[in-house]
Amino acid sequence: QKEVEQNSGPLSVPEGAIASLNCTYSDRGSQSFFWYRQYSGKSPELIMSIYSNGDKEDGRFTAQLNKASQYVSLLIRDSQPSDSATYLCAVNPGDDYKLSFGAGTTVTVRA
Amino acid sequence: GAVVSQHPSRVICKSGTSVKIECRSLDFQATTMFWYRQFPKQSLMLMATSNEGSKATYEQGVEKDKFLINHASLTLSTLTVTSAHPEDSSFYICSAGGLAGGYNEQFFGPGTRLTVL
Repeated sequence: QKEVEQNSGPLSVPEGAIASLNCTYSDRGSQSFFWYRQYSGKSPELIMSIYSNGDKEDGRFTAQLNKASQYVSLLIRDSQPSDSATYLCAVNPGDDYKLSFGAGTTVTVRA
Repeated sequence: GAVVSQHPSRVICKSGTSVKIECRSLDFQATTMFWYRQFPKQSLMLMATSNEGSKATYEQGVEKDKFLINHASLTLSTLTVTSAHPEDSSFYICSAGGLAGGYNEQFFGPGTRLTVL
């Protein structure tokens, strides 16, 4: 079983719609959870971090964490063509800086 | 804050030569840095963890004699691809470990595109 699994893509949504990305992780002791956005040919860019159960909102992005279900999600509201990218879920399973990454979900927002 | 730079951003070299890539944390000290490789349309693959003042820890399947990592200071780690071959052509990304809001986080550099002819 992979440490971090993301819903398989690609995900295509119309402009203005909500894009929903899901991620599950295997290490129950994980403390920190991250969503990165990666444009083609570019380095990952952190868009959300979440550490406690519940929702965290930042602009059009909302991250949701449920440690009991070992589940973290990302919602992108009012999706824009500029949101078209690959989104990587990352989990810090321990007390060092190492991250476990999911394979990524590619999102395409149709104008 | 938490800016990581990489140099060069792009490099083209001939097969058999060595290439050095620098990764710098510009505004914080990083005891731990990471080196990733990414092939087109694939996810990030961690190559090694670089710890200041000690030997790097390589992931399974990564040749430590081919990918030399030196973390000589708290702000600089280097990756040297020795005797590069076309199959080493890839996007190399470094990151630096730091604290954000009391939690461990990785801050990524912009990446280096290596093309071996």
